[in-house]
Amino acid sequence: AQKITQTQPGMFVQEKEAVTLDCTYDTSDPSYGLFWYKQPSSGEMIFLIYQGSYDQQNATEGRYSLNFQKARKSANLVISASQLGDSAMYFCAMREGRSNTGKLIFGQGTTLQVKP
Amino acid sequence: EAGVAQSPRYKIIEKRQSVAFWCNPISGHATLYWYQQILGQGPKLLIQFQNNGVVDDSQLPKDRFSAERLKGVDSTLKIQPAKLEDSAVYLCASSLSRGTLNEKLFFGSGTQLSVL
Repeated sequence: AQKITQTQPGMFVQEKEAVTLDCTYDTSDPSYGLFWYKQPSSGEMIFLIYQGSYDQQNATEGRYSLNFQKARKSANLVISASQLGDSAMYFCAMREGRSNTGKLIFGQGTTLQVKP
Repeated sequence: EAGVAQSPRYKIIEKRQSVAFWCNPISGHATLYWYQQILGQGPKLLIQFQNNGVVDDSQLPKDRFSAERLKGVDSTLKIQPAKLEDSAVYLCASSLSRGTLNEKLFFGSGTQLSVL
């Protein structure tokens, strides 16, 4: 079964507008961490934001915020004021607390294109 | 601080040939990961090292793939013999440890392998 699901293969957004990238996850572990990474065409995965399952508030990092809905098991990434440089693939990932390896499990990714 | 270094950047080989990829993690990072990213998919963990010991190699096709991290620093991933379905980007990542939920992975730019 897929642990991380990103249902939007591709998204378009107009420059300066906000966009939401969806991520749902599946785990029975009460302790887990959720990550978002950006992968531009250069190939390197860049960490954007982290949300812990016990965090009371939604995480924010500059123009990035995470809309964390625990009961729905969703962790959507919101990018405000989109810029042309935001065009990239975006991956949601999860680490389960009970994992003795601490490995990150990634979703399939969403390609975001920012239009000028 | 220097990032994760990988080489080569691109490699084209014919099926049944062998190939090797090299990774040098961030200095002081104990945990090293090799991920395989097939076009249009999210990264899949192949093998994870803690210092020079293997923590997880459950998804490594051991009949053809091998990896080592002899001195607990840099690592080599080898494929022998290569198959067409091995065409992918091979990403190396490192982290300080594997013990905490919010531990970030830092990625290299990857090696793009094409098997003809």
